[in-house]
Amino acid sequence: AQSVTQLDSHVSVSEGTPVLLRCNYSSSYSPSLFWYVQHPNKGLQLLLKYTSAATLVKGINGFEAEFKKSETSFHLTKPSAHMSDAAEYFCVVSVYGGSQGNLIFGKGTKLSVKP
Amino acid sequence: DTEVTQTPKHLVMGMTNKKSLKCEQHMGHRAMYWYKQKAKKPPELMFVYSYEKLSINESVPSRFSPECPNSSLLNLHLHALQPEDSALYLCASSPGTTSYNEQFFGPGTRLTVL
Repeated sequence: AQSVTQLDSHVSVSEGTPVLLRCNYSSSYSPSLFWYVQHPNKGLQLLLKYTSAATLVKGINGFEAEFKKSETSFHLTKPSAHMSDAAEYFCVVSVYGGSQGNLIFGKGTKLSVKP
Repeated sequence: DTEVTQTPKHLVMGMTNKKSLKCEQHMGHRAMYWYKQKAKKPPELMFVYSYEKLSINESVPSRFSPECPNSSLLNLHLHALQPEDSALYLCASSPGTTSYNEQFFGPGTRLTVL
């Protein structure tokens, strides 16, 4: 069975400093992994996805994530935080086969950015 | 057109009302989804439509009734809701039904049940 764990419920950084949001997954198969961002009272926006191609995935707004099979991790990083990055971030794994469309969401990490 | 639209943005209804949420996409996607999201929680899957047929119903109460009139449109009919049904309702679509397809989300409808 697939599962995903976001290791921090809240991360606070200063503007201009690096961002690291941690995610570990569990999957019996080669997973598809996604990071979504949700700004307050908004829908979810796809930041990036991993689907067994390059292990370093670049996304929108300067975010990137590295798939590490040995560590079962898919951490999200950004070199320099911007005030507009403050939002909720969800790490998501897609269920392999079976019921299509089933995304398993992590509980989310709230990113705060201080001026 | 690369977005999913949802109407209305906000909805307030009484427990005896009947209302509908609407979702539309023009990306040619063949799968569409309804999610419910409570505050400070991740979205919870409610229904999945694949090629306009209901393929997943995650044990949702019958007071929620989905409908997919065509490949671009998805409705969620609401009747006799309870206050605990107040939440953000998100619609999403994806190109296909395989596990590597990302889902594109709409902005949501904020529902308040009085």
